[in-house]
Amino acid sequence: KQEVTQIPAALSVPEGENLVLNCSFTDSAIYNLQWFRQDPGKGLTSLLLIQSSQREQTSGRLNASLDKSSGRSTLYIAASQPGDSATYLCAVMEYGNKLVFGAGTILRVKS
Amino acid sequence: EAGVAQSPRYKIIEKRQSVAFWCNPISGHATLYWYQQILGQGPKLLIQFQNNGVVDDSQLPKDRFSAERLKGVDSTLKIQPAKLEDSAVYLCASSRTSGRWAETQYFGPGTRLLVL
Repeated sequence: KQEVTQIPAALSVPEGENLVLNCSFTDSAIYNLQWFRQDPGKGLTSLLLIQSSQREQTSGRLNASLDKSSGRSTLYIAASQPGDSATYLCAVMEYGNKLVFGAGTILRVKS
Repeated sequence: EAGVAQSPRYKIIEKRQSVAFWCNPISGHATLYWYQQILGQGPKLLIQFQNNGVVDDSQLPKDRFSAERLKGVDSTLKIQPAKLEDSAVYLCASSRTSGRWAETQYFGPGTRLLVL
C-alpha cells in the first residue's frame, strides 16, 4: 500500500528566504507526482506536475524535483512571500488515476 | 470553463443525524471522485465513479456512507447516521477519464462538515 510522507509538518520563515519542502513515497510504480496548494476554506490548486519520466518542473519561483528510484520529491520555493503562506500537499498518482496524498506541510511566511 | 461545484459549503449537524453533499463536475468529465480530508491529514479517496458506475469504493465506510451518480453527471454523497469522527472537509474532483493514462483531477472548494 502506497504511503506518502511530508517533512516538515510545519514551517515558519521570514519573508525573502528560500525554502525546501520534502515528500517521500514508498512505491515507485507511479504515473506522476503533483504538488498542490491549499488555502484555508478552499479547494486544492495544482502547482506543479512531474511525470514519472521527468526529473523536475519549474513554474516561476517554484521548482519541483523527482527521484523516482529513491521515492523522493522536493518543492523549492525561492524568495518566499507572505502570500505563499498555505498548506502544501504532495500526491502521487497510481494506476487507475488514483491520487495518494501526504498530510501536508503548513507554511507561514512572516513579513 | 466552469469549475467543479459543490454545495453546501458548510454544514453543522448533531451525531446520528443524516447529511447529504452535492457535486457538479466539469462538463464532459467522465470520472468523478469524492475525498475525505480530516483536519491535519491529506485527502483520502472515498469513492471513484466512471460515468455512473463505481470504479473504486474500497475506502468508503459502507455501513453509513453512500454515494450515487445518476445519469453520469451530478453526484451526491450521503452519511447516515453521522458520527463525531466524520467531521472533515469533503472534496469532490473530476477528470476527463480514468483509463490507463494519467488524467489531471480538478478539485471543487469542498464542503466542511462539523458533527457535534
